[in-house]
Amino acid sequence: GQQVMQIPQYQHVQEGEDFTTYCNSSTTLSNIQWYKQRPGGHPVFLIQLVKSGEVKKQKRLTFQFGEAKKNSSLHITATQTTDVGTYFCAAQTGANNLFFGTGTRLTVIP
Amino acid sequence: DADVTQTPRNRITKTGKRIMLECSQTKGHDRMYWYRQDPGLGLRLIYYSFDVKDINKGEISDGYSVSRQAQAKFSLSLESAIPNQTALYFCAVGQGENQPQHFGDGTRLSIL
Repeated sequence: GQQVMQIPQYQHVQEGEDFTTYCNSSTTLSNIQWYKQRPGGHPVFLIQLVKSGEVKKQKRLTFQFGEAKKNSSLHITATQTTDVGTYFCAAQTGANNLFFGTGTRLTVIP
Repeated sequence: DADVTQTPRNRITKTGKRIMLECSQTKGHDRMYWYRQDPGLGLRLIYYSFDVKDINKGEISDGYSVSRQAQAKFSLSLESAIPNQTALYFCAVGQGENQPQHFGDGTRLSIL
């Protein structure tokens, strides 16, 4: 079955530092979604990328979709304690269901 | 999100027991999903449904069954629970293809 590799599994950063998580697939994706799960909470949809090379921004968050549509990244500039949580990518090929990455757990040290 | 309600929120039970987890939604979304979450493994799809009485196996359906008798409800059953089914279970809903999914608050299930 389809697999989506996400790295790193854990990341500890000092508040104010940047953070990036990466998602990679061996197959070409039709789209990729990103979700955030706060500690003790449920995944919450952040954004969807569809086009090759697409870049979208949400305040301090920048999302990219690779030119070959096989990889994606989420970058947070100047992390804050409110950014704490686990970030998941979720990839889709054609009409298939979403395959979630294993997630990157972000800890922000004040 | 999307008014997705899961019951119960927590459940502790013994090996061999039958368990049912319920999910209901008030948004009228057509697609409903059951996932389990284990540390380090992300979210894995158990079953999904695109309409009433439509049932499809996901990545890890063995040991589980589901029922979709109404558009707003999607239940997950463990016919004979075993300890390695201890996990956090999420229900999610979505409207149409390639659309975001909205998750319930989860059911934490422990099987002793």
